[in-house]
Amino acid sequence: AQSVTQPDIHITVSEGASLELRCNYSYGATPYLFWYVQSPGQGLQLLLKYFSGDTLVQGIKGFEAEFKRSQSSFNLRKPSVHWSDAAEYFCAVGARNTGNQFYFGTGTSLTVIP
Amino acid sequence: NAGVTQTPKFRILKIGQSMTLQCTQDMNHNYMYWYRQDPGMGLKLIYYSVGAGITDKGEVPNGYNVSRSTTEDFPLRLELAAPSQTSVYFCASSRKQGVNEKLFFGSGTQLSVL
Repeated sequence: AQSVTQPDIHITVSEGASLELRCNYSYGATPYLFWYVQSPGQGLQLLLKYFSGDTLVQGIKGFEAEFKRSQSSFNLRKPSVHWSDAAEYFCAVGARNTGNQFYFGTGTSLTVIP
Repeated sequence: NAGVTQTPKFRILKIGQSMTLQCTQDMNHNYMYWYRQDPGMGLKLIYYSVGAGITDKGEVPNGYNVSRSTTEDFPLRLELAAPSQTSVYFCASSRKQGVNEKLFFGSGTQLSVL
């Protein structure tokens, strides 16, 4: 069965520090992978997505993610975090063999301290 | 740019009451979705629609009904509210069908059933 695991419920980083949010997926074929961000009071917004090709994908707001098939991972990174990055981050996988279904992780809440 | 608009933002219901969560989008998207987000859980698909007059069940449809009379609107109906329906509800839309498509989300409706 398809599933997405985000092992870290909550992460706190200092402004200017680097960030890595973990995402592991379970899917039988090549997955479509996404990272969404949810700022307080807002809907989810797409940060980046991976379908095929280069395993390092660039997104908006300076984020990037790397697809590692051997580890079934799609971790999100940012070299230098800004206070405005404080939000909830969701990893998702698109599962082609179950209709138009997206499976979301439980989310990681990011706090940025000065 | 309004995008996807959900109303209300917050609502408290008593057990057994009914209500309709409204969702409208102004992007002329054919595909629309309703998700619920429970604490510590990923988003779960309730219902989706591939166009006016066409709806289908998602992962967790029990206790809900939907209709799609226009391209713009996709309301979600709770007929007999139960405490298990306490959740945050998100409406989303996409330009095309397919699990490689970007989802556009509304800002959510926080519902409590007491």
